[in-house]
Order: sequence, then structure tokens, then C-alpha cells
Amino acid sequence: KAGVTQTPRYLIKTRGQQVTLSCSPISGHRSVSWYQQTPGQGLQFLFEYFSETQRNKGNFPGRFSGRQFSNSRSEMNVSTLELGDSALYLCASSSTGGLYNEQFFGPGTRLTVL
Amino acid sequence: DAKTTQPPSMDCAEGRAANLPCNHSTISGNEYVYWYRQIHSQGPQYIIHGLKNNETNEMASLIITEDRKSSTLILPHATLRDTAVYYCIVRVGVFGNEKLTFGTGTRLTIIP
Repeated sequence: KAGVTQTPRYLIKTRGQQVTLSCSPISGHRSVSWYQQTPGQGLQFLFEYFSETQRNKGNFPGRFSGRQFSNSRSEMNVSTLELGDSALYLCASSSTGGLYNEQFFGPGTRLTVL
Repeated sequence: DAKTTQPPSMDCAEGRAANLPCNHSTISGNEYVYWYRQIHSQGPQYIIHGLKNNETNEMASLIITEDRKSSTLILPHATLRDTAVYYCIVRVGVFGNEKLTFGTGTRLTIIP
């Protein structure tokens, strides 16, 4: 079974731009969660989608948004990029909704904001 | 929100048991403790989780104190491939309003 895939793996943007990251979960998984990882703040939970609905949400500003499609693929969008948005963005999938079950992480998308 | 505190780094000799502590003194009664690890440049990998009973699986054991204010992850026979950053995580909130609160992680180095 293929693992979680994320595209692109690396991305460079400038301040003020917007960016869209993509995540394809493991086949059959309906829950997708997004995380931001930075050296200063560590791993922080962004939000979780299940069956195309946002189920859980962390403490990030509205510039961070996401959506999930009927095939469970998910996208995360960050608008009006700031230098502090430079991070590794990880997505994880699990078979059921909520954050109870084991989550399978992808390799991440490394975003650099200049 | 419940927060976790972990030592920043630890060393363990190959073949010995690695014991990784985590403090979560503000944990509430229905909040689970999870452990994940992250090997350099990879996404985190699930290890184990528990609520109040000790848990064991093929990878590790999780010992939670009776007052639930702390826990210990035990890797029984550490190998070089266990070198990674280990995160102790508390799942807070109720279904539909949950989030995972990550600790700062412990960098475990297995010494040959």
C-alpha cells in the first residue's frame, strides 16, 4: 500500500504571495491532518479534515486554510505569506476521524518564504 | 491545554533499554498520551498511546504513573535505527474540537 504523498516537496515563495500544498492520503483513509514544523515552535497542529469537513482546528490565523476532496485528497492554502511561514508542512492520514487513531505522516513540503 | 516536558537529549547504548521520560502534570482525565518519533528528514512515525493503563506493542512499552502526571516510553532493546527525536504528545479536547499538543521532543542517540 502506498504511503502518504505530498507535493511539491520543496517550494520557494516571496512575502505576500499565496501557496497551495497538496496531500494524498493512504488509500482508504478518510482523515487528513496538517502540521507545521519549525525549529522555534516545533510541531504544531493546524487542522484536520474528515469526509470533506474540517473536524478539528489548531490555533493558526485565518490565512491558513484547507479543504478536502471527495477522494480524500487534501490541499492546504496559505495566503499573504510571511517570513515566519517558512517551515516544513506535514500532512498525516488515518483511517477514521478525530485524532485518536495512529496517524501516518508524509515526508512533508518544505516551504521557504523570502 | 495540557503541555508536555521532555529532556532535550539522551544517549543509550545499543542493546540496552532506552527509557524516555515525559512530564504532563496538567493533563486532564480524558486526555490521551501519544508517542511519535521522527527520524531525520522523515515524517513522524507513530509508536504507542495510552490513557491510564500501561501499554505494550511490538515497538515499545508505555508506562503511565497512577496520577497520570508523567509517563515513560521504553524501547526494550535499542538499535542504531532507533536514533531519532521522540515526541510525547497529549491529545486535548473532545471529538470535533481536538488537537494534538506536541512537546519539544527528546533527541535520542543510540551509541554503538
